[in-house]
Amino acid sequence: SQTIHQWPATLVQPVGSPLSLECTVEGTSNPNLYWYRQAAGRGLQLLFYSVGIGQISSEVPQNLSASRPQDRQFILSSKKLLLSDSGFYLCARQAGRANEQFFGPGTRLTVL
Amino acid sequence: DAKTTQPNSMESNEEEPVHLPCNHSTISGTDYIHWYRQLPSQGPEYVIHGLTSNVNNRMASLAIAEDRKSSTLILHRATLRDAAVYYCILRTNAGKSTFGDGTTLTVKP
Repeated sequence: SQTIHQWPATLVQPVGSPLSLECTVEGTSNPNLYWYRQAAGRGLQLLFYSVGIGQISSEVPQNLSASRPQDRQFILSSKKLLLSDSGFYLCARQAGRANEQFFGPGTRLTVL
Repeated sequence: DAKTTQPNSMESNEEEPVHLPCNHSTISGTDYIHWYRQLPSQGPEYVIHGLTSNVNNRMASLAIAEDRKSSTLILHRATLRDAAVYYCILRTNAGKSTFGDGTTLTVKP
């Protein structure tokens, strides 16, 4: 199974509030996991990727952070949300010899 | 990361073939060419990938230029359900990719 779960599906938060988005995956162990953000009408921006528990690489400096406390759990967090953090957040896993990516259903975040 | 260039939008009539182009002139020898598509409010869906040879699967065909600097995703008979944003990306062994803005495909009945 390549199932990827994300929650919540939608979220409305005030500026300055904290954030925690969760992604869990089923299937093989030790998958490479990714967090992307997509602004309206735009492509995907890679935020973080992880090759294993506790291993996080940040692609874009910002007020977001990521953690991987368990093999199949990837969490995106923020201590204080900004208006610019609004967007569609996608979690993905890598699989296959050609590093195909499989995406979760996404979380739509609106910061007011 | 190597970059790809795609037209912003394309239109097609239903049941006609669609050729979606992609340029990737800085591709390296180990980069795979991947195509994904994204329906509104959903995550991207893997479509097809290739390295050097043309590829076919149940969803589409991928034609890769001999110099690998460009590729074309071919939908043999477009349906209304094929209307989506199509992304062409390069996948490295490091597993990082850059998704551009893609091509928005409109299918007219």
